[in-house]
Amino acid sequence: GAGVSQSPSNKVTEKGKDVELRCDPISGHTALYWYRQRLGQGLEFLIYFQGNSAPDKSGLPSDRFSAERTGESVSTLTIQRTQQEDSAVYLCASSLDGQGLDGYTFGSGTRLTVV
Amino acid sequence: SQKIEQNSEALNIQEGKTATLTCNYTNYSPAYLQWYRQDPGRGPVFLLLIRENEKEKRKERLKVTFDTTLKQSLFHITASQPADSATYLCAPPNQAGTALIFGKGTTLSVSS
Repeated sequence: GAGVSQSPSNKVTEKGKDVELRCDPISGHTALYWYRQRLGQGLEFLIYFQGNSAPDKSGLPSDRFSAERTGESVSTLTIQRTQQEDSAVYLCASSLDGQGLDGYTFGSGTRLTVV
Repeated sequence: SQKIEQNSEALNIQEGKTATLTCNYTNYSPAYLQWYRQDPGRGPVFLLLIRENEKEKRKERLKVTFDTTLKQSLFHITASQPADSATYLCAPPNQAGTALIFGKGTTLSVSS
């Protein structure tokens, strides 16, 4: 597609429920990244996928967070047993290759509110 | 661990002036550094990349410098306009080179 697409754009969920966030990267971009941005804060790295290599999961804050990517296409970020501190905007980005030297292209994010 | 600091959370300037934003990093030496613009409710947008062997990079009214001795990058917007009002983020790669780490950003407000 023309840009990185994320869905849903907004999600309100009850504490303890599981949520799944989706990211469609730019076609042909081999690298995909998930970041979290809490209100008024900077972007926190969560996870990185590059082609068929093992993902870099070093930024995932707890084992309630997981992500998958099928080949070089869609990725889903799953948060199990959501907590209020999970409320944030979840941003997905893709880049042409794993070095990201042409810059990252970000989606508009999914705003998650846990009540 | 790697640390990125952007000098101020907010910068207010008058239209036509030059805005200068500062990004300092500690505990490592990144091979390059990227700058992004973020508008409210949107994802960041890539502006410029500068490599460690480049002293300066320009793109239209934007200029970025990279001083590896001072461990600092400066981001300049010349002839600023109200439309330049946004948050600007500094982003070097992490030490593993797998992803960018972002500063908290500086919110620039340009008044007419």
